[in-house]
Amino acid sequence: DSGVTQTPKHLITATGQRVTLRCSPRSGDLSVYWYQQSLDQGLQFLIQYYNGEERAKGNILERFSAQQFPDLHSELNLSSLELGDSALYFCASSVGDRGISPLHFGNGTRLTVT
Amino acid sequence: AQKITQTQPGMFVQEKEAVTLDCTYDTSDPSYGLFWYKQPSSGEMIFLIYQGSYDQQNATEGRYSLNFQKARKSANLVISASQLGDSAMYFCAMSGLMYSGGGADGLTFGKGTHLIIQP
Repeated sequence: DSGVTQTPKHLITATGQRVTLRCSPRSGDLSVYWYQQSLDQGLQFLIQYYNGEERAKGNILERFSAQQFPDLHSELNLSSLELGDSALYFCASSVGDRGISPLHFGNGTRLTVT
Repeated sequence: AQKITQTQPGMFVQEKEAVTLDCTYDTSDPSYGLFWYKQPSSGEMIFLIYQGSYDQQNATEGRYSLNFQKARKSANLVISASQLGDSAMYFCAMSGLMYSGGGADGLTFGKGTHLIIQP
């Protein structure tokens, strides 16, 4: 058990809809990262927050947004969903923000857009 | 930009044999970290081992060791005495420091190697 909690485990929704994925980092970790894993794109970094502030952005679509709350949990909002958004979404956390400490991943949320 | 290359899409290995999974990287960052993760069929990403670019010694964690050759830009994972439970996807990843803003990119992952341990 990595200590990172993601909910829900599975999500099935229709095109055009909006969903929210939630992540609770490991106790003591200040950084939260979001990743998307799909068969064709592999593991893609989406966005990072550190202690409530956005720290780095990767290949995140404009239809997607995220935030980290004062209690350090994070939410990833996906809107105007398309079939191609179907993927496994991971949250990860780490102690620091420099990317040289290990990232610990949650079990992921599997999103299916129909 | 950072790049990770894993040249072995799949590997079959006999149980109890040692396994070497290849990983080469490219980066212009002077300071970076190299990671290996295991993803079983159940889907979770399990952190295995970490090597810092300035670490003098190769990292080891139980049956896992990282063969770090900085000049060759390689960071191969070695699994000793493989077990059936080692069957999984293995991902090599790296991180670095962004000069602007002082923040860090997320990890850059390779495409992975699908390791199958045969009895």
